[in-house]
Amino acid sequence: QVQLQESGPGQVKPSQTLSLSCTVSGASITSGSYYWSWLRQLPGGGLEWIGYISHSGDTSYNPSLRSRVTFSRDTSKNQFSLNLSSLTAADTAIYFCARGLCLYGDCFDCWGQGTLVTVSP
Amino acid sequence: QSVLTQPPSAAGTPGQRVTISCSGSSSNIGSNTVSWYQHLPGTAPKLLMFSDNQRPSGVPDRISGSKSGTTASLAISGLQSDDEAHYYCAAWDDSVSGHVVFGGGTKLTVL
Repeated sequence: QVQLQESGPGQVKPSQTLSLSCTVSGASITSGSYYWSWLRQLPGGGLEWIGYISHSGDTSYNPSLRSRVTFSRDTSKNQFSLNLSSLTAADTAIYFCARGLCLYGDCFDCWGQGTLVTVSP
Repeated sequence: QSVLTQPPSAAGTPGQRVTISCSGSSSNIGSNTVSWYQHLPGTAPKLLMFSDNQRPSGVPDRISGSKSGTTASLAISGLQSDDEAHYYCAAWDDSVSGHVVFGGGTKLTVL
């Protein structure tokens, strides 16, 4: 059974950089045709795709966030990570990591529970 | 403002059939497949449908998906109280180097 677990700070100050990690168990992030993804749920309830790092290390980012986002991975820990810079209050959200499938990694069959990140002074 | 358009709410009584629509454009639903998610606050979203009408294992066949042109639909028949949740559609969008877009979500109430 594949499980994902997000970890990181619950509160970050404006203009700082958010760093989150996702630890995967039950599957290797370097095998299979999977897209290890980050998404977030904004306070209004809507879901937003942030992007993915694939099993081969390729990345794809939401154009609206591309200038501020970087993905990385630690294969020895079976973890992948998100860095989001220049934070503002608009980045306050529940952040999810998920496993992407389908042609473009655009469907998500396993999700973490989510971690609430609040951007405030 | 979400790229895909869903009704904000839907409702039905136990045993009824309800349908939730998801409207997009030629760059997303019109040219790529749609997935659907069920979400209860505080929990992980659950994949209900992928590739327009494919159910993951464990999703009952009273839940079905369809698509016509730039509109996709999720139908739930034999409505049950634990179907009360938020439902989201998603698709790949070919514009601006490609990215995943979501609907704004539909809150389904079982009366």
